[in-house]
Amino acid sequence: GAVVSQHPSRVICKSGTSVKIECRSLDFQATTMFWYRQFPKQSLMLMATSNEGSKATYEQGVEKDKFLINHASLTLSTLTVTSAHPEDSSFYICSARDQGGPTYEQYFGPGTRLTVT
Amino acid sequence: GQNIDQPTEMTATEGAIVQINCTYQTSGFNGLFWYQQHAGEAPTFLSYNVLDGLEEKGRFSSFLSRSKGYSYLLLKELQMKDSASYLCAASTFMEYGNKLVFGAGTILRVKS
Repeated sequence: GAVVSQHPSRVICKSGTSVKIECRSLDFQATTMFWYRQFPKQSLMLMATSNEGSKATYEQGVEKDKFLINHASLTLSTLTVTSAHPEDSSFYICSARDQGGPTYEQYFGPGTRLTVT
Repeated sequence: GQNIDQPTEMTATEGAIVQINCTYQTSGFNGLFWYQQHAGEAPTFLSYNVLDGLEEKGRFSSFLSRSKGYSYLLLKELQMKDSASYLCAASTFMEYGNKLVFGAGTILRVKS
C-alpha cells in the first residue's frame, strides 16, 4: 500500500515552453501533497505544500506564478513549470500524506527528471 | 532559521557497522526522519523518532536526543546494496501543517 506515482518520469522541453508533472496517490486519499526539487548532489528542497481544494503554500523564494500547483482531487496534484529555463532543469519529487494514516508520514513518488534545453 | 547538518560522505566495509550523525536546529520540531535515496530515485523511509532514545528495526537503528538536537542512524552488517545517500530530515510544525526540512545527505560507500 501507500504508492505514489509521478508522470512523466523524464521530460525534455525547450526553453520558454511549459511542462506539467502529475503526482497521484494510487491506493490512498491524500489531502496534503508536497512538491520538492533536488539539484545534483544536493538535498531535497521543499517548494510548496498543496492541500486539496485550496491554494498551495509556497516556500520562500519559490515563484508561485512560475510553478503552478493544482490539487483538484484527493488523489491528484499537478505541478506546471511555466516558461521553463535551463536553470529549472532538476529532479522534481512529490510526496503525499495519507488522509487516514499517521500525520507525520509522507510517501514519495519516484520523481520526474526535467531537462530544459 | 532551519539548519540540518550531516557528513557529506562516509566509507565503510561490507559486514561492518557504520553510524551516520545528524544535528539539527529547527523551530517547531516534532520528529526526526531518516531516508535512504539511491541515485536518481525517490527517498525511501527508514525510520522516525519523536521521543528520545533508540528505535531498532532490523539492521537499522535510529537514535534521537531532543535536548541536544542530535540524531544518528546506525547500520549493522553492511551490505553492498546499502551504498546510497542517507537523508536526515526534521519534521517541523507550520501553521498549515507539518513539513520536512532535509539535510544535504550523507553518501555512504560500502566497499568489499
